[in-house]
Amino acid sequence: AQRVTQPEKLLSVFKGAPVELKCNYSYSGSPELFWYVQYSRQRLQLLLRHISRESIKGFTADLNKGETSFHLKKPFAQEEDSAMYYCAVAGGTSYGKLTFGQGTILTVHP
Amino acid sequence: ETGVTQSPTHLIKTRGQQVTLRCSSQSGHNTVSWYQQALGQGPQFIFQYYREEENGRGNFPPRFSGLQFPNYSSELNVNALELDDSALYLCASSREGLGEQYFGPGTRLTVT
Repeated sequence: AQRVTQPEKLLSVFKGAPVELKCNYSYSGSPELFWYVQYSRQRLQLLLRHISRESIKGFTADLNKGETSFHLKKPFAQEEDSAMYYCAVAGGTSYGKLTFGQGTILTVHP
Repeated sequence: ETGVTQSPTHLIKTRGQQVTLRCSSQSGHNTVSWYQQALGQGPQFIFQYYREEENGRGNFPPRFSGLQFPNYSSELNVNALELDDSALYLCASSREGLGEQYFGPGTRLTVT
């Protein structure tokens, strides 16, 4: 069964500091990995997906199949990055079904 | 481009009642997925509809059912409501059941 683990429920950093939100997954086959973000009083929205290899709002994430990880990183956090972040996996026989982690609340202090 | 919309925004029901939640997909999208998000948890997949057919189902009992209409809008029906059904219900649409899903604002259901 697919499973996504985000070990940190809460993460606090200061503005300008590097930030890394951890995500580990268990999946058999070729997964597709995503990071979704939910800012205060806004809907859930896609931040990035591993196949596009894009950097969105300064965030990057590398799929490490050996460690089954897809950690989200940003070298210099900004206050506007404060939000709830969800890692999600899809693919294989559950094509189109997203399995989400429990989420990490990121707070960036001034 | 019109985004995903859901109605109603909030709903309060009594245990044992039935409820219908509605979702309009984003323009150009023919696939709708429904998720349940309990407080403090990530969204959990309920089922997906693609071209009016159910296209995958999560670990939810049969009292959770759905429909998709020719205009690709969708309904989620829950019968015999239980207290544990209290949650935020999210609808997401996508093209051809693939990749990026666009989420609606959700419907907050409270069962008393």
